[in-house]
Amino acid sequence: QQQVKQSPQSLIVQKGGISIINCAYENTAFDYFPWYQQFPGKGPALLIAIRPDVSEKKEGRFTISFNKSAKQFSLHIMDSQPGDSATYFCAAKAPGGSNYKLTFGKGTLLTVNP
Amino acid sequence: DTGVSQDPRHKITKRGQNVTFRCDPISEHNRLYWYRQTLGQGPEFLTYFQNEAQLEKSRLLSDRFSAERPKGSFSTLEIQRTEQGDSAMYLCASSLAWEGQTRYNEQFFGPGTRLTVL
Repeated sequence: QQQVKQSPQSLIVQKGGISIINCAYENTAFDYFPWYQQFPGKGPALLIAIRPDVSEKKEGRFTISFNKSAKQFSLHIMDSQPGDSATYFCAAKAPGGSNYKLTFGKGTLLTVNP
Repeated sequence: DTGVSQDPRHKITKRGQNVTFRCDPISEHNRLYWYRQTLGQGPEFLTYFQNEAQLEKSRLLSDRFSAERPKGSFSTLEIQRTEQGDSAMYLCASSLAWEGQTRYNEQFFGPGTRLTVL
């Protein structure tokens, strides 16, 4: 059972455009939703995260939109740059001291053309 | 840089050999996690430690896999009798442990160890 479904699998955007990646989750107990950026041969790097008590969080060019009723959240990258070309993963985590693991989506390969 | 470090970065081994990987977490982080990532997939949870105690193991972690964190600092992941299906990136992450701490949820990943089993 895939608890976090991510789309699209790949995305090509022109420089300056907006990149949008979507995730849907099934477990209503999830209460922490991070996005990670991964370059080839590197470990995932935490980009931005949100909790379900807010509908949007913005950090620089990166924005998470969260729709609790639809159990969906998305990453928007404004003014996309070639340096943003990477694989992006959404993830989710349930609350509580015994809930520790992140459940990841399958990733979106973003290519930003110059 | 005081991030998570892993060693080695790459390991090529023959089927049937044993391999061991090391992870050094961020110094103030009590929790340490191991994940495995195969090509085109997101990381999958393997196991986690709080201080020196191993508190959970995924069903992905067969009995050929063993992890330790002897003094609550660095951790090792050993794979015995490696199989070609073990080829993957092995990622270590660390985080704070207590819910009241700022950034409690945030897991920081190391660069990974790429294992190739021939």
